[in-house]
Amino acid sequence: SQKIEQNSEALNIQEGKTATLTCNYTNYSPAYLQWYRQDPGRGPVFLLLIRENEKEKRKERLKVTFDTTLKQSLFHITASQPADSATYLCAPRRGSGTYKYIFGTGTRLKVLA
Amino acid sequence: DAGVIQSPRHEVTEMGQEVTLRCKPISGHDYLFWYRQTMMRGLELLIYFNNNVPIDDSGMPEDRFSAKMPNASFSTLKIQPSEPRDSAVYFCASSSRGRNSGPLYTDTQYFGPGTRLTVL
Repeated sequence: SQKIEQNSEALNIQEGKTATLTCNYTNYSPAYLQWYRQDPGRGPVFLLLIRENEKEKRKERLKVTFDTTLKQSLFHITASQPADSATYLCAPRRGSGTYKYIFGTGTRLKVLA
Repeated sequence: DAGVIQSPRHEVTEMGQEVTLRCKPISGHDYLFWYRQTMMRGLELLIYFNNNVPIDDSGMPEDRFSAKMPNASFSTLKIQPSEPRDSAVYFCASSSRGRNSGPLYTDTQYFGPGTRLTVL
């Protein structure tokens, strides 16, 4: 069955450093992959979408890579700030016939001041 | 825009009771999604609609769950009868692809604040 794996352990990093979060998927060939941010008690908020023909996507301090050979996406936050502390979810989707995203369980990031 | 609106925000009920969760999507959006989130299973898609028509309900746990979308601005998720294992946060999300969006659409889902359901 399709499986989306994100680091279940919380990630603690020092302010100013680059945070790197991993999303691995198996038994799946997504054409799109999204990253969302979720704060406690709130719904997820969309951050970035990357397509299978894109190796990398950037938005301000955020960068996402998509390696269809490794079946992996990496999410980077450069110059991290305490305000970046949240849970980050990856969500891949197949290209055709469905609009169904499968969400990972998320990685909790804590940026220490 | 007010964003996706869900009600109630919190619901506590007893096992066996009927529960109805409500969602108002963002005006103009043609896709609506219902998700359930628990610590153990994460965020799971239950069902999604396109232009008020259910497209994929393969995530609906069992016949006790039903969802409707009578018009473009309202959807309900009903659980009857409810069980303690239904306790979770239920999210509604909406999205717009449009008829002419082509490969440039953003595919963004806008989530509501969620309904925290507790079944005793």
